[in-house]
Amino acid sequence: NAGVTQTPKFRVLKTGQSMTLLCAQDMNHEYMYWYRQDPGMGLRLIHYSVGEGTTAKGEVPDGYNVSRLKKQNFLLGLESAAPSQTSVYFCASRLLTGEQYFGPGTRLTVT
Amino acid sequence: GQSLEQPSEVTAVEGAIVQINCTYQTSGFYGLSWYQQHDGGAPTFLSYNALDGLEETGRFSSFLSRSDSYGYLLLQELQMKDSASYFCAVTISGNTPLVFGKGTRLSVIA
Repeated sequence: NAGVTQTPKFRVLKTGQSMTLLCAQDMNHEYMYWYRQDPGMGLRLIHYSVGEGTTAKGEVPDGYNVSRLKKQNFLLGLESAAPSQTSVYFCASRLLTGEQYFGPGTRLTVT
Repeated sequence: GQSLEQPSEVTAVEGAIVQINCTYQTSGFYGLSWYQQHDGGAPTFLSYNALDGLEETGRFSSFLSRSDSYGYLLLQELQMKDSASYFCAVTISGNTPLVFGKGTRLSVIA
C-alpha cells in the first residue's frame, strides 16, 4: 500500500504559468481533499470531492480547479499562477470516519 | 459557524506528560481526531474518538466527552521527537470535510 502519493514534490513556476498537481490514493477512499498550508499556519481547504465525478469548493477555491475522473485520482490545476499561490499543497483522503491520510506534499514557489 | 479551540503553544520537559485540549462548537458531530505534523512534513493521523472515553495507543492517548464538547490528546514519556504541531479535527458528517483546529505547537525541552 502506497497510501496517498503526490506528484511533483517540488515545482517553481513563473507568474502566469499553469500546472497540474496529481494526487493518487490506493485505499479505495470516497473522499479526497486538497489543502494549502502557508508557513506557520494551519490547513486551508481548497476543493474536495465526495466521490468519483464530484467536486466542491472549499474555503479558498479562487485560482484553482479540480477534477476527479477516477476514484483513485484527484487533480488540482492552477490556470494562471500568482505569487500568492506559493505554498505547500497537501492532498488527503479519508474514510467515512475521521481517519484522514495525507500525501507528502508539493512545495510550490511562484516567482 | 464551526470552531475548534486548542492552545497555540505548549512546552514540556522530556520524560514528562503533556495534555493538549480541544473544545469544539460544530453543527454536527461524528467524532474527534488528532493529527501530528513535524516541521517540513505532512500531517499524520494519530487517533479517532467517536464515543466518550479514553483510547490508548502506546504513549499517546485521546479522550472525548461529547456532553462537554471537549477532548484532549495525552502524550506520556515525552521524547524530543514528539516536538511537532498537533491538530484536532471534528467529523461533522460523511460528506462534509473535517473541520480542523489551528494547531498546537509542542516543544519538548531537555
